[in-house]
Amino acid sequence: SQKIEQNSEALNIQEGKTATLTCNYTNYSPAYLQWYRQDPGRGPVFLLLIRENEKEKRKERLKVTFDTTLKQSLFHITASQPADSATYLCALDHNAGNNRKLIWGLGTSLAVNP
Amino acid sequence: EPEVTQTPSHQVTQMGQEVILRCVPISNHLYFYWYRQILGQKVEFLVSFYNNEISEKSEIFDDQFSVERPDGSNFTLKIRSTKLEDSAMYFCASSRQGVGNQPQHFGDGTRLSIL
Repeated sequence: SQKIEQNSEALNIQEGKTATLTCNYTNYSPAYLQWYRQDPGRGPVFLLLIRENEKEKRKERLKVTFDTTLKQSLFHITASQPADSATYLCALDHNAGNNRKLIWGLGTSLAVNP
Repeated sequence: EPEVTQTPSHQVTQMGQEVILRCVPISNHLYFYWYRQILGQKVEFLVSFYNNEISEKSEIFDDQFSVERPDGSNFTLKIRSTKLEDSAMYFCASSRQGVGNQPQHFGDGTRLSIL
């Protein structure tokens, strides 16, 4: 069956450390994978997109990797800050017939402690 | 920065009643989406809409659901006869194009509570 999985356990780290979040998928062949941030009671906010032919993408303190052999994406936040505390969602594009849609992971909750 | 707006922020309705959730997507976006998120669960795709018609829908989006773009700015989701299990956050999103290489911009959702 098709699955997309993120670390189910909440991640607690100390301010200044690097947070690493994992997104694994099975039985999909996405051309793109996206990462979003979601704060309580708010809608997801787009962070980064990576294509299947890209190994790595960076934006300020954020870095995403995409390994289509392992079927895994890693999301890193370097020099983490308490303001980075949120739930992080990965979403992969799924080609369903002539249309594409995003399939979402459950998200990983990150808490950055001062 | 332009944003997607949704109204109301919270809707409480009796089971069996009809509800309409409203969204104003970003003005130059062409693709519109509805998602739902039951408390503590995944964001789930409901439907995508382009060029005044549904382009994709999930198995959740049954005959009780419908979408409409009644004018040039609004995009609505109607649930005809609500059930208890329809209680969830409903998010509207829009994107410039419909392929997976475009970010989707989300509103802050409508919390729907069915009593």
